[in-house]
Amino acid sequence: NAGVTQTPKFQVLKTGQSMTLQCAQDMNHNSMYWYRQDPGMGLRLIYYSASEGTTDKGEVPNGYNVSRLNKREFSLRLESAAPSQTSVYFCASSASTPSIGYTFGSGTRLTVV
Amino acid sequence: QKEVEQDPGPLSVPEGAIVSLNCTYSNSAFQYFMWYRQYSRKGPELLMYTYSSGNKEDGRFTAQVDKSSKYISLFIRDSQPSDSATYLCAMSDPSGSARQLTFGSGTQLTVLP
Repeated sequence: NAGVTQTPKFQVLKTGQSMTLQCAQDMNHNSMYWYRQDPGMGLRLIYYSASEGTTDKGEVPNGYNVSRLNKREFSLRLESAAPSQTSVYFCASSASTPSIGYTFGSGTRLTVV
Repeated sequence: QKEVEQDPGPLSVPEGAIVSLNCTYSNSAFQYFMWYRQYSRKGPELLMYTYSSGNKEDGRFTAQVDKSSKYISLFIRDSQPSDSATYLCAMSDPSGSARQLTFGSGTQLTVLP
């Protein structure tokens, strides 16, 4: 039972490079989320997808795009990475929105130099 | 001012101590209150949740909500070194348009053997 799987676990990018963070869940959850976690800032919502085929902006969407590829997969893309995007990124899923029962992945540690 | 305020610590206690972790919030529409535990380099996992005001107990853990004061607490009795982690409070307004979780910044707890 994998839960929420994120790839890659670690990444170093140069300023201006692009990359896609992948997330997949095997719990048949409808809703999926992308958060970033920075020291002293807690978890901040970047984008979410309440159901397959829909996406919405969260608190800090600038510089990011998302794709809900199907019910299982929700990817986060950085088109032109900036040092301010250095962070730990977490994907999460839940059966519905609203929900208390978020299941988080183990995170992607991204450094932009 | 953040919607949810949480003392970041770090908090260090001896094994067996009673630990009190707290959050304050400003949005009176919050109805669900949660505590997540996050081990180092892992994703957060749901520890406990309560709906509206009151107490909830689960083993060594007790969650308390005082909506009149906009204050929530998590108590850990007989703390163990395995409780060493960052504890995040989270809240949601089920009637809001976004209906997402709002997280505190987390309190880092170390229980010394």
